[in-house]
Amino acid sequence: GAGVSQSPRYKVAKRGQDVALRCDPISGHVSLFWYQQALGQGPEFLTYFQNEAQLDKSGLPSDRFFAERPEGSVSTLKIQRTQQEDSAVYLCASSFPLGQSPLHFGNGTRLTVT
Amino acid sequence: GESVGLHLPTLSVQEGDNSIINCAYSNSASDYFIWYKQESGKGPQFIIDIRSNMDKRQGQRVTVLLNKTVKHLSLQIAATQPGDSAVYFCAENAWETGNQFYFGTGTSLTVIP
Repeated sequence: GAGVSQSPRYKVAKRGQDVALRCDPISGHVSLFWYQQALGQGPEFLTYFQNEAQLDKSGLPSDRFFAERPEGSVSTLKIQRTQQEDSAVYLCASSFPLGQSPLHFGNGTRLTVT
Repeated sequence: GESVGLHLPTLSVQEGDNSIINCAYSNSASDYFIWYKQESGKGPQFIIDIRSNMDKRQGQRVTVLLNKTVKHLSLQIAATQPGDSAVYFCAENAWETGNQFYFGTGTSLTVIP
């Protein structure tokens, strides 16, 4: 596609529910990143994939957060037993070459946990 | 993680004036920097990048300056337009520590018509 696509655009979950957030990266992009952005803050790194391999998950805040990219394209970020502090915008980004290059971001999924 | 911060959280400029947004970073190993623009309800949009072997890079109406000695980065926007109103983030990356980028808190730029 023309850009990184994320769905749903908005998600409201009751505390304790599980949620799944989807990311369609730019076709052919090798690297995929998930970031969390709290209101009024900069994006915070969560995890990174190179193709289907999750090479860095050091930013995942707890074991309730899980990400996968089984075929090296679409990625899903899953949050189990959501808590109010999980409320944020979840951004996905992709980049093509290996190494240092700009990240191309989607418009994010705004998650609100009530 | 590394600290990437901005000196001014908000900035208001008159349309047509030049804008300067500043950013300080703390990781001396950082060697690649990007400025992003984020409008309300959208993801960050790439503006311009610079590598540590350069101290200046120009784009269309934008210039990024890098001072490695004091670990400072700035974004200059010429002839600021209402469409430039947004939050601006600097992001840093260090090749030796992997692919993740660290973002600053952001500066909100408001252009007054």
